[in-house]
Amino acid sequence: ETGVTQTPRHLVMGMTNKKSLKCEQHLGHNAMYWYKQSAKKPLELMFVYSLEERVENNSVPSRFSPECPNSSHLFLHLHTLQPEDSALYLCASSQAPSGGPRETQYFGPGTRLLVL
Amino acid sequence: EDQVTQSPEALRLQEGESSSLNCSYTVSGLRGLFWYRQDPGKGPEFLFTLYSAGEEKEKERLKATLTKKESFLHITAPKPEDSATYLCAVQANTGANNLFFGTGTRLTVIP
Repeated sequence: ETGVTQTPRHLVMGMTNKKSLKCEQHLGHNAMYWYKQSAKKPLELMFVYSLEERVENNSVPSRFSPECPNSSHLFLHLHTLQPEDSALYLCASSQAPSGGPRETQYFGPGTRLLVL
Repeated sequence: EDQVTQSPEALRLQEGESSSLNCSYTVSGLRGLFWYRQDPGKGPEFLFTLYSAGEEKEKERLKATLTKKESFLHITAPKPEDSATYLCAVQANTGANNLFFGTGTRLTVIP
């Protein structure tokens, strides 16, 4: 339950605001992920960091800016968001790809974001 | 293109009424298939990983099976606390750790 933590749990922001989401993992992993979950849609992978380097950016708008200062922390900086960006933002962590059960991704509780 | 389809979208069961959830997948080389449980307002909770056709895993009232095209999550004698959305995800054998998720099955178990 406390392996991956996210703050804040809820966030309401206007379209001109700047805010940041924080994720911390206590599992000794070296890969971290940001996902977006919208109603009736599959989880969408946004960013992947492996060994603190960004290895994936799935065509995410530049108003979302990730930061991974070390293998335990991940941030998602938000600015000039749109109402359609309202969703549950999930952080996950795993071991870096090498094959086997260590690659299982473990998720945090998410940040529920509402953009007005 | 990697794809995951889950059915049914929603399922209502009486307590004790066993059933199965389906996850059909298309992937360019399966590295692993994952089942997660998600309660409202929470993040997905890991249940199982399956790696090869014929593999089965069990946990309490849940049993996951895998073929070359689909996976089933069997729920035996469910209880109300099993109510949740069950998510299936596949990982392709491409060297990346990306998961492709289905839209989930929302299970409601009625006392």
